[in-house]
Amino acid sequence: DAGVIQSPRHEVTEMGQEVTLRCKPISGHDYLFWYRQTMMRGLELLIYFNNNVPIDDSGMPEDRFSAKMPNASFSTLKIQPSEPRDSAVYFCATRGSRANVLTFGAGSRLTVL
Amino acid sequence: AQSVSQHNHHVILSEAASLELGCNYSYGGTVNLFWYVQYPGQHLQLLLKYFSGDPLVKGIKGFEAEFIKSKFSFNLRKPSVQWSDTAEYFCAVNVHNQGGKLIFGQGTELSVKP
Repeated sequence: DAGVIQSPRHEVTEMGQEVTLRCKPISGHDYLFWYRQTMMRGLELLIYFNNNVPIDDSGMPEDRFSAKMPNASFSTLKIQPSEPRDSAVYFCATRGSRANVLTFGAGSRLTVL
Repeated sequence: AQSVSQHNHHVILSEAASLELGCNYSYGGTVNLFWYVQYPGQHLQLLLKYFSGDPLVKGIKGFEAEFIKSKFSFNLRKPSVQWSDTAEYFCAVNVHNQGGKLIFGQGTELSVKP
């Protein structure tokens, strides 16, 4: 298994631009989580899905952030418009319904200038 | 507020020293507890977990953690650290009645001097 695959690994963009981060979960994992990691706030849960349905998006910082999971093999996290304070590493993590252990992707490092 | 607290932000040790990293949580009810490790430039990996049974759990690379329910704690220990243990360590809690989400502590950065 290739694990949780995230793209891009690194993105540098200018303030105001739209950013789309992508995640491909491990096949058969029906829970998908998006986390944001910063020095100041540590690891924050943004949103998670179960069977492609958003269950809890209370961690999404504001309306500029949106996440979708159109099917079991793909999820996106979009920031529009981006701001410098969005600079962080964004992790996608997934797990199966019977296992309570998350497998993390390598992360997407976002820098907004 | 419900939270996961890691008391040490940055710990510096010499090789062969003993390690204990504190973790406390404030959730009531049944919990699953985890320690994850993030080596420099890498993603998070599971170090060990507690679901039920023996409160002393052993993980990879000689790490262990003890769940003390009365203290709401799940401290991580290692009797003798190595330079390769330099990493950031995260405690995490999954609360049974709150769905599948995992809440992480702020993390503790461990630096081991050779």
